[in-house]
Amino acid sequence: GAVVSQHPSWVICKSGTSVKIECRSLDFQATTMFWYRQFPKQSLMLMATSNEGSKATYEQGVEKDKFLINHASLTLSTLTVTSAHPEDSSFYICSARVLTAEAQPQHFGDGTRLSIL
Amino acid sequence: GQNIDQPTEMTATEGAIVQINCTYQTSGFNGLFWYQQHAGEAPTFLSYNVLDGLEEKGRFSSFLSRSKGYSYLLLKELQMKDSASYLCAVVDSNYQLIWGAGTKLIIKP
Repeated sequence: GAVVSQHPSWVICKSGTSVKIECRSLDFQATTMFWYRQFPKQSLMLMATSNEGSKATYEQGVEKDKFLINHASLTLSTLTVTSAHPEDSSFYICSARVLTAEAQPQHFGDGTRLSIL
Repeated sequence: GQNIDQPTEMTATEGAIVQINCTYQTSGFNGLFWYQQHAGEAPTFLSYNVLDGLEEKGRFSSFLSRSKGYSYLLLKELQMKDSASYLCAVVDSNYQLIWGAGTKLIIKP
């Protein structure tokens, strides 16, 4: 089945640090990748939709200058949390959708737990 | 607006059967997904329904009625490892995925 790899799985760093999270589709090409954030005991919140070769579409309330998304190839998207602060601590999850199959399931990476001290 | 409703929490006994309901009101419909999410982990795909009826996959079955805007996930022979949140998500007319808040299922021995 479709596999999505997300790295790193856990990050602990000081306030003000920028953190990059990678999301790779290992055995399929994904024109669209999604970035979610989930706070403890809350539901998934879509942050942005990332399309290969174009600018990401951010959801309302998500700062595009704070959360930089790059989708340079059909198998890789990155999320950079710039100048992270404690309130950015959360569980970040990426997902990818199979090429040209909008109604196919999104396959999720294992998530990145970000803790800002 | 777009809305997906599912119960916040349910409790069931090991070995029993539980049905988790999901009702939706969306702009268009291109399928409904059920995902399982264990605490601290990412969601994993369980099922996809786009036509009316029941889809069975081992201990899990998913049902869809498009006319009623209704789906349910049926879990049989419950095991302790089934304790998780179950997320209902609908693909709307723009092929955007609309997520429910999830149902936390607690399994008791």
